[in-house]
Amino acid sequence: DGGITQSPKYLFRKEGQNVTLSCEQNLNHDAMYWYRQDPGQGLRLIYYSQIVNDFQKGDIAEGYSVSREKKESFPLTVTSAQKNPTAFYLCASSSTGLNTEAFFGQGTRLTVV
Amino acid sequence: GQNIDQPTEMTATEGAIVQINCTYQTSGFNGLFWYQQHAGEAPTFLSYNVLDGLEEKGRFSSFLSRSKGYSYLLLKELQMKDSASYLCARGGYQKVTFGIGTKLQVIP
Repeated sequence: DGGITQSPKYLFRKEGQNVTLSCEQNLNHDAMYWYRQDPGQGLRLIYYSQIVNDFQKGDIAEGYSVSREKKESFPLTVTSAQKNPTAFYLCASSSTGLNTEAFFGQGTRLTVV
Repeated sequence: GQNIDQPTEMTATEGAIVQINCTYQTSGFNGLFWYQQHAGEAPTFLSYNVLDGLEEKGRFSSFLSRSKGYSYLLLKELQMKDSASYLCARGGYQKVTFGIGTKLQVIP
């Protein structure tokens, strides 16, 4: 079955550690995105990529990094520079760019202690 | 983000009709999305409007007025499983911006 997979669903890390969240899709989508969701706020765009080996900063990129070495994969690293990393992280993909229907992964809830 | 406004919470009765409104900034507008999100889960796509008017999909309909910067999602024959957050999202140049979502509670 085609879909978009994030792993793990729950992740705990100690403050000061970098952590990488996985996102894989087999929908043959060109575009992939990372969003952060906090209680009482909408989804905020962290990074997006419209083609392999290229990506752009979203609205809240500071403290995060990404790579897009393969079409299927768009991992997100939450670095120690991110001041408030505890959040629900959602990865999404779409076929031809940002203004088309996005398919979301199940999300990763990151808790930094 | 980018002046997308929608009510934070609504309550409606099972079997009834509810309308969730969304207003947005019109400059650079390139389509309006509605997503449904159950607590702790990923959003799922409901509708996309790029032209004015009403789009109907079963129990769910979505309306757009580009000149007014206004959209609504209409849910008919409400069921308990419709209790969820409904996210209005505005397409713009190279990115989609989401509102905070409207948490809908359906009561018996």
